[in-house]
Order: sequence, then structure tokens, then C-alpha cells
Amino acid sequence: KQEVTQIPAALSVPEGENLVLNCSFTDSAIYNLQWFRQDPGKGLTSLLLIQSSQREQTSGRLNASLDKSSGRSTLYIAASQPGDSATYLCAVKPDSGYSTLTFGKGTMLLVSP
Amino acid sequence: NAGVTQTPKFRVLKTGQSMTLLCAQDMNHEYMYWYRQDPGMGLRLIHYSVGEGTTAKGEVPDGYNVSRLKKQNFLLGLESAAPSQTSVYFCASTFRTGEQYFGPGTRLTVT
Repeated sequence: KQEVTQIPAALSVPEGENLVLNCSFTDSAIYNLQWFRQDPGKGLTSLLLIQSSQREQTSGRLNASLDKSSGRSTLYIAASQPGDSATYLCAVKPDSGYSTLTFGKGTMLLVSP
Repeated sequence: NAGVTQTPKFRVLKTGQSMTLLCAQDMNHEYMYWYRQDPGMGLRLIHYSVGEGTTAKGEVPDGYNVSRLKKQNFLLGLESAAPSQTSVYFCASTFRTGEQYFGPGTRLTVT
């Protein structure tokens, strides 16, 4: 059974810092990996989708990398801002049939001014 | 283009009452999902559908039923609500190979 782990569970940084969020998964047979952002009391917003054949994806100040063989992904946030404060979740889609996403429990990020 | 919408946003039920949560998407997605999110448990899949007229069980299906009579709608039913079903419910949709898009959630309390 696929398991997704996110470390750290919580992170607090001052504004302007570059930071890395980690995601690891136990089964490397994945189709893609998706990073989401969730603000308190809100739904999930998709940030980046990395297909299994890709090594990284970038969107603005966000860069996500994927090392499928080692079961790891990282989300890099450059020049963090207070508006980046949220919970970040990663999820993997297995490479088989109709299989559904398996989510990590998230990293709660607080960026202080 | 509204994306994924959920009705209602909030609901309070008494134990034993029934209700239906409605999810609608306007992106012509094939796949639709119902999740629940609980503190410390993360997101757990309740049921999902890979197309109109099809449904399948997820990780925590007990106590819930679903129907997908139209491609754009996915209904989640609670026949006899229990306090353990107090949670935030999220609907999501996707094409088979693409990004999963989420609705804003329904906060349900069962007393």
C-alpha cells in the first residue's frame, strides 16, 4: 500500500527566506505527483503537477522536483512571503488502472513579516 | 467557468438524519471523487466515479452512498448520520491523467 510522508509537519520562517518542503512515497510506481496548497477553511488548490517522466516543474517562485527512483519530491519556495502561509500537501497517483491519489498529511507553513 | 462547486457549504444534522451533498463540475471531467478531511487523519477517499453511471468504493466507504447519474454531478448521501461522520467533505474531479481540482468543501457537524 502506498504511503506518503511529508516532513516537516510544521515550519515557521521569516519573510524572504528560501525554503524546501519534502515529500516521500514508498512505492515508486507512480504516474504523477501533485502539490497542493490549502488555506484554513478552504479547499485544495493545485500548485504543480509533475508527470513520472519529468524531473521538475516550475511556476513563478515555486519549483517542484521529482526523483521517482528514490521516492522523493521537494517543493522549493523562493523568497517566501506572508501570503505563502498555508498547508502544503503532496499526492501521488499510482501507475495502474483507475487508482486514485494518495495524500500526505501536509506541511503547515507560517511565514512571518 | 465555475470549476468544482459543492452544496451546501455548512450543515448541522442530528444523529439518524439523512442528507445529500451535491458536487458539480463544468470541466467535462471523467473522474469525480468524494473525500473527507479530519484533523490528524489527512484526506481520505470515500467513493469515486470513473464515468457517468459508475461508482466505486474508496478507503472509508461505510455509511455513505453515491450516485453519478449525470457526468457533471456526483452526489454523496448519508442515510443515517452518526457523530463519527462529523468532518469536512471535499469533492474533486479530473481527467484520467491530469490535475485533480477540488471544490471549496462542506463542513458537516452531526450532533
